[in-house]
Amino acid sequence: GIQVEQSPPDLILQEGANSTLRCNFSDSVNNLQWFHQNPWGQLINLFYIPSGTKQNGRLSATTVATERYSLLYISSSQTTDSGVYFCAGWDTGRRALTFGSGTRLQVQP
Amino acid sequence: DTEVTQTPKHLVMGMTNKKSLKCEQHMGHRAMYWYKQKAKKPPELMFVYSYEKLSINESVPSRFSPECPNSSLLNLHLHALQPEDSALYLCASSQDVAFYNSPLHFGNGTRLTVT
Repeated sequence: GIQVEQSPPDLILQEGANSTLRCNFSDSVNNLQWFHQNPWGQLINLFYIPSGTKQNGRLSATTVATERYSLLYISSSQTTDSGVYFCAGWDTGRRALTFGSGTRLQVQP
Repeated sequence: DTEVTQTPKHLVMGMTNKKSLKCEQHMGHRAMYWYKQKAKKPPELMFVYSYEKLSINESVPSRFSPECPNSSLLNLHLHALQPEDSALYLCASSQDVAFYNSPLHFGNGTRLTVT
């Protein structure tokens, strides 16, 4: 199956700062998704982005499928951005999403 | 508000108890999933149902028994669990398993404690 690696594992920001989270995957993926899990455990789908760039408010994501990586940009971070960010790619062998280990983000006021 | 609803939110059960987790979605999705998540770990796939049929069982112990009564409902029956089964159990749905280019939507989860 595919391997999904995320970096950095942990990140602390001051409110208002920008950040970039990275996701590398071992094989070509057809279905790259970014999720945010808040401190209460709720997992929200941020982006479905197999290739190209998408933006949603202060968040944007870019996937370069040919180079097997995806980036999540957070601009003007807020304390509500805290939590864990996961990327996940579709494993055609298992016919299911494989998750990375996540980036734990803490935004301090 | 999430479009995938899970009940209960919290569950405490003894090792001899039988309980069930429930999941419901009304988005017309034909694929539904159970994931297990331990603290500070990513979600781990347990089961996948596609068109109400079990398509993936990730070698889950038989003390976990999934059921898909119809396309909107997914249950997870629990029996004789162990304390190490304590975790957040997440239900998810997507348009179609074969339709791999569809986003996954998660419920809020059931936080299970086995005593």
